[in-house]
Parts: sequence; structure tokens; C-alpha cells
Amino acid sequence: EDQVTQSPEALRLQEGESSSLNCSYTVSGLRGLFWYRQDPGKGPEFLFTLYSAGEEKEKERLKATLTKKESFLHITAPKPEDSATYLCAVQPANDYKLSFGAGTTVTVRA
Amino acid sequence: DGGITQSPKYLFRKEGQNVTLSCEQNLNHDAMYWYRQDPGQGLRLIYYSQIVNDFQKGDIAEGYSVSREKKESFPLTVTSAQKNPTAFYLCASIRTGENYGYTFGSGTRLTVV
Repeated sequence: EDQVTQSPEALRLQEGESSSLNCSYTVSGLRGLFWYRQDPGKGPEFLFTLYSAGEEKEKERLKATLTKKESFLHITAPKPEDSATYLCAVQPANDYKLSFGAGTTVTVRA
Repeated sequence: DGGITQSPKYLFRKEGQNVTLSCEQNLNHDAMYWYRQDPGQGLRLIYYSQIVNDFQKGDIAEGYSVSREKKESFPLTVTSAQKNPTAFYLCASIRTGENYGYTFGSGTRLTVV
């Protein structure tokens, strides 16, 4: 069974204090690993799709990396507007279904 | 702009009542999904449909039903058999191409009163 574990559950940062979120996964053949941002009371917003170990993608202050067992979402010099819950999900090679982690809630204080 | 529209945003259900959550998309996506989100848990798959007139049960289908009569629409009915329906419900579709992944709607929060 596919499993996704995100850590930490919550992260409180000072504005400008860089940090990383972890997503550990087990999947029977990886089709894709996804990162989403979710604001309270809203649907998840797509950030990145990673397909193979060694791949990296960047968007503004966010950078996602992938190994065979885990993915990291690095937040560089965060701003208060980066406060949100970040969700990680994996899709196996032979299925259209995604398995999600419980998320990491990031709070950035000014 | 294309997207997924979920309605209503908030829904209240009385004990023993069936309610239907709407999900409409104008993205021309074939596959659509319903997820349930509870505090502290990952999104859990209720039902999914890869083509019109076909759908499959997800991990927590008991107490729910769906239909897929049109490509654009994938409504979810929460029946009285669902004993703990209070949750945030999310509809999604698969986006192919460069930014492959799910596109989500804005969600419906269902509360039992």
C-alpha cells in the first residue's frame, strides 16, 4: 500500500528564516510526486510535479527536490504570505489515484 | 478562465437526510475525483471516474454515491448511511501535459446539525 508521511506537522518561522519540509513515501513504482499549497477553507493549489530522483523544480521562494525515498520542499527567506499548509502526494505508475500526506502547516511571522 | 466549480461552499445536513454536492468543470478533463479532508489526516479518496458513465469506488466509498452522466459534471451524494459526514469535500480532475497533476475545486464544507 502506498504511504506518504510528512514532517514536521507544524513549522513556525520568522520572516527570512529558511527551512525545509520533508515528505517520505513508499509507492509501487512512482509516476509522479506532487506538492500543493492549501490555504484555510480553500482547495489545494498546485505547486510542483516531480517524476524521477534527482529532479528539482523552483518557483519563487520554493524549491522541491526528489530522491528515491523522500522529497523536500525548501522555503528560502519566507514571507508571511507563505503561511499555508503544504501537502505532498504520490501517484503510482499503474494508477490514476493519488495518496496524500497529512500536510505541514507553516506559519511565518513578520 | 477554466476551472472546477464546487457548490455550495457550506452545507448543513440533518440526521437521516441525503445531500448532494455539485462539481462542474470546464477544463475538458476526462478523469474526476472526490476526496474527503478531515483535520490532521491526508485527503482520502471517495470515488473517481475516468470516463462518462463509469466510476469506481475509492478507499472510503461507504455511505456515498456518485454519477457521471456528462463529462463536465460529477456530483457526490452523501447518504444517511454515512455516519460521520462532517468534513471538507474536494473535487478534482486530472490535468495532463507540462504541469501534470490534479486541479482542485474550492471545496464544500458539510456539517451535520
